[in-house]
Amino acid sequence: ELKVEQNPLFLSMQEGKNYTIYCNYSTTSDRLYWYRQDPGKSLESLFVLLSNGAVKQEGRLMASLDTKARLSTLHITAAVHDLSATYFCAVDMQGAQKLVFGQGTRLTINP
Amino acid sequence: GAVVSQHPSRVICKSGTSVKIECRSLDFQATTMFWYRQFPKQSLMLMATSNEGSKATYEQGVEKDKFLINHASLTLSTLTVTSAHPEDSSFYICSARRGLSGANVLTFGAGSRLTVL
Repeated sequence: ELKVEQNPLFLSMQEGKNYTIYCNYSTTSDRLYWYRQDPGKSLESLFVLLSNGAVKQEGRLMASLDTKARLSTLHITAAVHDLSATYFCAVDMQGAQKLVFGQGTRLTINP
Repeated sequence: GAVVSQHPSRVICKSGTSVKIECRSLDFQATTMFWYRQFPKQSLMLMATSNEGSKATYEQGVEKDKFLINHASLTLSTLTVTSAHPEDSSFYICSARRGLSGANVLTFGAGSRLTVL
């Protein structure tokens, strides 16, 4: 059974600081996705990582994937208040064509 | 870009009634749609995978007679919560997968918040 674990689950930080959210998964997969969810809203796709060593950046967010370590990171650079949201990673369950989501990381960025 | 419309966004119903939620892919054909359930401040739990023209595949622990899924066309899947009870109150989110191969990139609907009184 594929398990996806995020760390930390809650993160409160100040504007301007850097931080990293970690996503570990338990079985082989080479596809990992990051999503953002604002309160009361649905999910917005942030990154799609499809191979070992993949790195993608959009604005202050950067995501990477290490399939050997079964680990993805979402790095936030010089955080701003607008980035406050819940961030989910999701991993493709090989052969089943369905995603398994992590618990989510609730990020609060204080002015 | 790919757009998925989900309706209604909010519904309040009395216990014992049935509620239908629609999920439409507006500008692409979705061979597969997924239905998720999300409790407050929790992650998304996959309920079922819906393939056009065939029966849905339900996840373990999800009652298929309680949550009826129909995927009659390549652009529409529906979830019907039958004889709803307060414990069925939740945020239901559909997503649609475009194409048959490649990355499992999903487009999510806006979600439907169900409150059963």
